[in-house]
Amino acid sequence: QVQLVQSGAELRKPGASVKLSCKTSGYTFTNNYIHWVRQAPGRGLEWMGIVNPSGLSKMYAQNIRGRVTMTRDTSTSTVYMELSNLGSEDTAIYYCARDGGGIREPAYYFDYWGQGSLVTVSS
Amino acid sequence: DIQMTQSPSSLSASVGDRVTITCRASEAIVTYLNWYQSKPGQAPKLLIYSASTLQSAVPSRFSGSGSGTDFTLTITSLQPDDFATYYCQQSYDSPRITFGGGTKVEIK
Repeated sequence: QVQLVQSGAELRKPGASVKLSCKTSGYTFTNNYIHWVRQAPGRGLEWMGIVNPSGLSKMYAQNIRGRVTMTRDTSTSTVYMELSNLGSEDTAIYYCARDGGGIREPAYYFDYWGQGSLVTVSS
Repeated sequence: DIQMTQSPSSLSASVGDRVTITCRASEAIVTYLNWYQSKPGQAPKLLIYSASTLQSAVPSRFSGSGSGTDFTLTITSLQPDDFATYYCQQSYDSPRITFGGGTKVEIK
C-alpha cells in the first residue's frame, strides 16, 4: 500500500534551518509529484510547494520563496524539504503529500499524505 | 488568491445524522474542488476530488456536489469514525491552491 513516512519532530531557534524527510513506498516513486503542506496551530492548511518526479522542477509558494528548498532522492524514494531563516510563524505541522495526478502533469490534489512532522521554533 | 469559505466552522451531530458542509469559492472554479478528512495525529485523507468523484476505498456515505462557486460535502449517515475536521481545497488556480478554514464535526 502507498505510504509516506515523515521524519520526527524538530525544535529550532529563530534564524535556524530545518530539513524534513518524507520516505515513500508502495508505488513507483517517479510516477507522481510530491507536495508539502503545513498547518500552524489554530490555523488552516497552507500549500508550500511541489517537486516533480525527476526532482528537476519545483515550484514554491510565493510567501516562502527564497527560504524553501525541496529535493528528492530517487535511489531511496525520499523527498526532502528544507526551510531556512525560521521564525515563530513557521511553527507548524508539516505534511508531505502525493499528487493525485500522473507523471505528465500534476492534478494539485493530494491522494496520500504523510503523518506530519511538528516543527517548533522557539528561543 | 481564491478564497475558500467553509460553513459551518463546527457542528454537533449524532450517529446516524445526515450532515452537510458547504464550501464557497470567491470566484468560479468549475469543479476543481477537493475534500479531505483530518483527525489529530493522523495523516489527512482524501475523500472527494473533482467536486464529486469518490476516492477509492472511501465509504459511499460520503458524497460531493457543486460547480462554479458553491460546493457541498454530504455524509448521509454519520458514523463514529466520521467525527473529524473536514477541509475543502481548490485546485483550479494551481499552483496558487488554497484550502477552506475547516469544519469540525463533533459528537452531540
